[in-house]
Amino acid sequence: EAQVTQNPRYLITVTGKKLTVTCSQNMNHEYMSWYRQDPGLGLRQIYYSMNVEVTDKGDVPEGYKVSRKEKRNFPLILESPSPNQTSLYFCASSGIGGGQPQHFGDGTRLSIL
Amino acid sequence: AQSVAQPEDQVNVAEGNPLTVKCTYSVSGNPYLFWYVQYPNRGLQFLLKYITGDNLVKGSYGFEAEFNKSQTSFHLKKPSALVSDSALYFCAVRDTNAGKSTFGDGTTLTVKP
Repeated sequence: EAQVTQNPRYLITVTGKKLTVTCSQNMNHEYMSWYRQDPGLGLRQIYYSMNVEVTDKGDVPEGYKVSRKEKRNFPLILESPSPNQTSLYFCASSGIGGGQPQHFGDGTRLSIL
Repeated sequence: AQSVAQPEDQVNVAEGNPLTVKCTYSVSGNPYLFWYVQYPNRGLQFLLKYITGDNLVKGSYGFEAEFNKSQTSFHLKKPSALVSDSALYFCAVRDTNAGKSTFGDGTTLTVKP
């Protein structure tokens, strides 16, 4: 089954404790992206990757890091999480080309205390 | 810079009635436009897209959307709403090199029996 898998689904942690949210896709997609969803703000793009070792900033990259060492994986790293990063996070993937629809994971709900 | 506006936070319709969820966009160049649906505790699911060609595009679950270049709109429509259509709907625009994606704030559709 074609899917995008995120882990963990839920995480409660404290300010300053480094965390990583993993994302993996099994569709051999070149493109992957991270979004955060906040009430009334829709989805905002954090980072995206057009292929292995190629990443670029989205609209809200501050406080986040990403890496793309393998085609299937695109982890999101919060080196020093803060309460304003409490949010619902989605990973997505697609084929190359602006006309390709994105496939989304089921989300990771992060609470930073 | 590209942007998407969904002017209605909420749309309420009765089952069996037609529904419209509005979206307007702003892009430089030709737009790649998408509609996605989100059910509770799930990721976004692709409904339909406009790349080029016919202004009326058909998608999943009986949904369709009308592209209007002069009004820079891409409204989602369905001739006869179902209670199961109740969900959060997002309009999105993607740039032509497939990097940046911009989503609207979302519209909650409620279909009452």
